[in-house]
Amino acid sequence: RKEVEQDPGPFNVPEGATVAFNCTYSNSASQSFFWYRQDCRKEPKLLMSVYSSGNEDGRFTAQLNRASQYISLLIRDSKLSDSATYLCVVKGLTGGGNKLTFGTGTQLKVEL
Amino acid sequence: EAGVTQFPSHSVIEKGQTVTLRCDPISGHDNLYWYRRVMGKEIKFLLHFVKESKQDESGMPNNRFLAERTGGTYSTLKVQPAELEDSGVYFCASSPDRLRETQYFGPGTRLLVL
Repeated sequence: RKEVEQDPGPFNVPEGATVAFNCTYSNSASQSFFWYRQDCRKEPKLLMSVYSSGNEDGRFTAQLNRASQYISLLIRDSKLSDSATYLCVVKGLTGGGNKLTFGTGTQLKVEL
Repeated sequence: EAGVTQFPSHSVIEKGQTVTLRCDPISGHDNLYWYRRVMGKEIKFLLHFVKESKQDESGMPNNRFLAERTGGTYSTLKVQPAELEDSGVYFCASSPDRLRETQYFGPGTRLLVL
């Protein structure tokens, strides 16, 4: 079983739509959680950290459910520029405190 | 502020040859990480330096891979001899310290072993 699991997509949505991505992780001792964004042939860039209380950054909302080991990302009012691969990332005690463990990513395509 | 830089951006070599990848972290960042993404797979951790010391090398695939960070500044990752399965994108990342968790990634080196 992979440590971080995501639906690879692609999710094809019209501009202005709301889209949600989910992710599960296997290590209950994991400490920190993130969503990274990766554009085609580019490096991953931090989109937002994810906290148990939930957090919002503009059109983006992230949620963490530690009991279910589940992380979500909600994008409202999708823009063409949101098209990218969204990586669910976990950091914790598996083999070392600072190591990031990535999901395979969920591809989003926002269309006119 | 300059970001993480990596050199070369692309490398095409034949099986059995040696390749050395270089990473320059953001100035002042003590933590430096190497990750790799092979075709169709997720990005995977290779190792972590704190200054010049290897903090965690649990992700290094085998002894054909050698990472160094002499002087605690830039790092090199040497693959010798390269095999076909080493093809992929090698990312370097850096962070200031353990408390500030964000890891900033470089653009990656695309390695193709023929």
